[in-house]
Amino acid sequence: DIQMTQSPSSVSASVGDRVTITCRASEALSSWLVWYQQKPGKAPRLLIYLASSLQSGVPSRFSGSGSGTDFTLTISSLQPEDFATYYCQQAKSFPLTFGGGTKVEIK
Amino acid sequence: QLQLQESGPGLVKSSETLSLTCTVSGGSISSSSYSWGWIRQPPGEGLEWIGIISYSEDTYYNPSLKSRVTVSVDTSRNQFSLKLTSVTAADTAVYHCVHWSMSAGWFDPWGQGTLVTVSS
Repeated sequence: DIQMTQSPSSVSASVGDRVTITCRASEALSSWLVWYQQKPGKAPRLLIYLASSLQSGVPSRFSGSGSGTDFTLTISSLQPEDFATYYCQQAKSFPLTFGGGTKVEIK
Repeated sequence: QLQLQESGPGLVKSSETLSLTCTVSGGSISSSSYSWGWIRQPPGEGLEWIGIISYSEDTYYNPSLKSRVTVSVDTSRNQFSLKLTSVTAADTAVYHCVHWSMSAGWFDPWGQGTLVTVSS
């Protein structure tokens, strides 16, 4: 199985801050990497697929980069509605696996 | 626009079978464009992929659950289902049904999720 490791597990930030979340895979994924946002009590929301493609309707302050084993999700200017938990998911091979999540909290 | 909704018992006894159904609206479940799956999330924990059924009804399961899981499709009702046998407290989770993109590997949309608690 491909192991997905996210860091940090939590981050405290203020509105307007730039936030970067890292996801590392135990083997190369090419660009088969997906990012989701989850708010409490809600289903995850697709943000980015194929490492850097922004899902329709997702604000442009979200961006993804990386390939191979190292990936990043960047929020360029944190907004109040962005406080949530973020998950990466590898889409290269079965079993599909997720990172442990990064909780973005209000500073 | 696809919408998914889970249904099924919220409480299952230990050693019994968990059965959930996902009703799909806004599209035909048998379309060659679509594949379907299940993901679960124990309270306060992360996401675990359970399994997928493709439009051609090929199935793919998480090896950690494979011996206990069945995902199937009912095209006449535009539904797909999950069965998980011999449940234990470790199977207590919110269960989400999802649409899976075979071409890009993402899950979207998701059902709102349903909490299933396994009781002793």
